[in-house]
Amino acid sequence: AQKITQTQPGMFVQEKEAVTLDCTYDTSDQSYGLFWYKQPSSGEMIFLIYQGSYDEQNATEGRYSLNFQKARKSANLVISASQLGDSAMYFCAMREGKNSGGSNYKLTFGKGTLLTVNP
Amino acid sequence: GAGVSQSPRYKVAKRGQDVALRCDPISGHVSLFWYQQALGQGPEFLTYFQNEAQLDKSGLPSDRFFAERPEGSVSTLKIQRTQQEDSAVYLCASSLAQGGLMNTEAFFGQGTRLTVV
Repeated sequence: AQKITQTQPGMFVQEKEAVTLDCTYDTSDQSYGLFWYKQPSSGEMIFLIYQGSYDEQNATEGRYSLNFQKARKSANLVISASQLGDSAMYFCAMREGKNSGGSNYKLTFGKGTLLTVNP
Repeated sequence: GAGVSQSPRYKVAKRGQDVALRCDPISGHVSLFWYQQALGQGPEFLTYFQNEAQLDKSGLPSDRFFAERPEGSVSTLKIQRTQQEDSAVYLCASSLAQGGLMNTEAFFGQGTRLTVV
């Protein structure tokens, strides 16, 4: 089973509007972390936002917020007031805790969503 | 430089050729990771170093892949006898803390795009 599922291969949004990028995850750990990265055409992965499994508040970083629904195992990224520079690939990723029997340092990524912001 | 630097940015190799990809992490960063990103996919974990120690190489796809970080800073990913399925972007990432902290942010380089012809 996929550990990180991003069901939207591509999304379009008008400049200045908000957009939600979906991410669901699969883990049996109680302790885990969820990350969103942006990858522009230059190739670099840029960290956007982090949500810990024990965090009670949804994470926010400027125009980025994470809609964390633990029971549904979803961690959707919301970008408010989209800008042309937001056009890029967006990846959801998870770091699992030690109890998974695996490492707790590596990130597992989804397949990404290509966001296009239209003027 | 301030960020993670990878070289070369692009590499074209003939099938069977050996290649070496270099990663200069952010100064002082303890942890270093290599990921492989196939076209249209998310990055996949290859290997992890804590300082000079390679603690996890479970993601290396075959024994043709070898990584080292002899002095705990610069790392090299070597691929021997390259094959077409090795074509991908190879991303290096580093982080300040040891990898065990849940919210440790990893800083990525721009990657090396390897094309095997």
